[in-house]
Amino acid sequence: DAKTTQPNSMESNEEEPVHLPCNHSTISGTDYIHWYRQLPSQGPEYVIHGLTSNVNNRMASLAIAEDRKSSTLILHRATLRDAAVYYCILRDYGGGSQGNLIFGKGTKLSVKP
Amino acid sequence: SAVISQKPSRDICQRGTSLTIQCQVDSQVTMMFWYRQQPGQSLTLIATANQGSEATYESGFVIDKFPISRPNLTFSTLTVSNMSPEDSSIYLCSVNQGARGAEAFFGQGTRLTVV
Repeated sequence: DAKTTQPNSMESNEEEPVHLPCNHSTISGTDYIHWYRQLPSQGPEYVIHGLTSNVNNRMASLAIAEDRKSSTLILHRATLRDAAVYYCILRDYGGGSQGNLIFGKGTKLSVKP
Repeated sequence: SAVISQKPSRDICQRGTSLTIQCQVDSQVTMMFWYRQQPGQSLTLIATANQGSEATYESGFVIDKFPISRPNLTFSTLTVSNMSPEDSSIYLCSVNQGARGAEAFFGQGTRLTVV
């Protein structure tokens, strides 16, 4: 699986937008970009995913660079509940892969009131 | 979507014993995955369990230590055998439907402490 690079930690103020970057310079054409987050003492939960185009859902937006070598998860208005570790993961079904998720270290987001 | 129930949610075990963790899903799923999360660390994939076939283990994990069963499309177990304090971790079950790009769902995890 291709690797991703994320900052170890970021801070945000409550009710402000947050942009979480992810670099994936070795991404292949069949890799989907997935984002998950893990709240304290919980299992990871799905946030959003995309392939080439920008994506929006009720939780967040995903902006994907034109060359797909980087992406940004956007939380439009951070709340205290958004404090979590955010994982950017490339998910591939090629070469016999079963689509399992390979987690990196993620970005620990802190939200200040 | 899929709702996953893991049992037990936590346990404290003596070294040398074994613990079997159960993962129950509220719908039929093709693939189930078992992860380990050591204290303060990210998740590490242990194995992939598909119904009707042997589990596929990742490098560093072996069947004798982490035997897995997958008797049907809604249930799986992971056993942590001959435990040592180094096995103290959170163990998580995950599922997806196998479709390209599909989201994965995770259980709440089993917090294991070996003393």
